Amino acid sequence: KNQVEQSPQSLIILEGKNCTLQCNYTVSPFSNLRWYKQDTGRGPVSLTIMTFSENTKSNGRYTATLDADTKQSSLHITASQLSDSASYICVVRLYNTDKLIFGTGTRLQVFP
Amino acid sequence: SAVISQKPSRDICQRGTSLTIQCQVDSQVTMMFWYRQQPGQSLTLIATANQGSEATYESGFVIDKFPISRPNLTFSTLTVSNMSPEDSSIYLCSVGRVGQGGYEQYFGPGTRLTVT
Repeated sequence: KNQVEQSPQSLIILEGKNCTLQCNYTVSPFSNLRWYKQDTGRGPVSLTIMTFSENTKSNGRYTATLDADTKQSSLHITASQLSDSASYICVVRLYNTDKLIFGTGTRLQVFP
Repeated sequence: SAVISQKPSRDICQRGTSLTIQCQVDSQVTMMFWYRQQPGQSLTLIATANQGSEATYESGFVIDKFPISRPNLTFSTLTVSNMSPEDSSIYLCSVGRVGQGGYEQYFGPGTRLTVT
């Protein structure tokens, strides 16, 4: 069964600290893996997108990694800011389709 | 990217009534998607709407409950019919577009529906 699991479910960190969110998937074959940020009451916004041949992709303070052999991805946030408080969703696209498999998300809270 | 707007942004409705949600895109797109996000859950695809053809529904979703219209390449509506409290969710419109990084899906801001 195609599934995307994320951990931790929630995370609290202090402003300025780094953190890493995890994503494990069983989707196969897949076209690409994305990380989305979803602010409360808003739609998801894409942070990074990686194909199976890419190992890492950065977008400012956000760096995503992908290990296609172990089917794991991580999202590293550097020098967190209060505005990073949101849910982060790992999404895998099925190969040659428009179908997206969504993880349940990690809810990050950054406190001053 | 794509600019997507939804109306209404939120609504509180009574059991048994229906609500139509509108989705407007800033440019023409072939495929539009409707998702549901129940409280504390991730997104679940309801249906895919192509202009000029009937929407394709995912398992667990039926046209009688969630009729969809797609009159042109920039607009779609989703109706939540005969609502019950279990329909309380955020409903999101999404479009697919090929960009610099390949195929990408963009999401609207969502419609937060509460059924009492």
